[in-house]
Amino acid sequence: KAGVTQTPRYLIKTRGQQVTLSCSPISGHRSVSWYQQTPGQGLQFLFEYFSETQRNKGNFPGRFSGRQFSNSRSEMNVSTLELGDSALYLCASSPSPGEETQYFGPGTRLLVL
Amino acid sequence: AQSVTQPDIHITVSEGASLELRCNYSYGATPYLFWYVQSPGQGLQLLLKYFSGDTLVQGIKGFEAEFKRSQSSFNLRKPSVHWSDAAEYFCAVVDYKLSFGAGTTVTVRA
Repeated sequence: KAGVTQTPRYLIKTRGQQVTLSCSPISGHRSVSWYQQTPGQGLQFLFEYFSETQRNKGNFPGRFSGRQFSNSRSEMNVSTLELGDSALYLCASSPSPGEETQYFGPGTRLLVL
Repeated sequence: AQSVTQPDIHITVSEGASLELRCNYSYGATPYLFWYVQSPGQGLQLLLKYFSGDTLVQGIKGFEAEFKRSQSSFNLRKPSVHWSDAAEYFCAVVDYKLSFGAGTTVTVRA
């Protein structure tokens, strides 16, 4: 089975712009979670989607949003980018939500200038 | 709230020597615990997981971990380290989301 794929792998944006990141889960996995990784804050949970519904959300401002499509693919959007949004954004998929093993993609490296 | 602590930020080990990475968890019920590894610029790869049952779990790449409820620990071990094991290692606990430790960076010297 193919693993979790994320596009693009690298992205450079300027402050104030918005960005959309994409994630395709492992075939058959219906739950997708997003995490932000920074040197200062480590790995932090952004949100989780299952059956096109956001089930849980981490402690991030409303500028961070996401959605899931009927084929389980997910996108996350960050509006009005700030320098502090520079991070590695990781997507993880699992067969269903809850206490399941999550498998990660390679991440999207976002640099905000 | 559930959490994990990795007391060691950085460990240096000689190639061929044994490795042990510490992880302590805080969780009210029986925790579901994971170890992930991250090479520079890469995503997280699952090494092993503990859900229940045998407290010694085997993973990929020759790693194993032991769950000790009395010590609230889930330490990762490898008997003989290879240069390719140089990476950052994360312990995590899950309920609806993964909560990660701060990570331990492993350097392997020749």
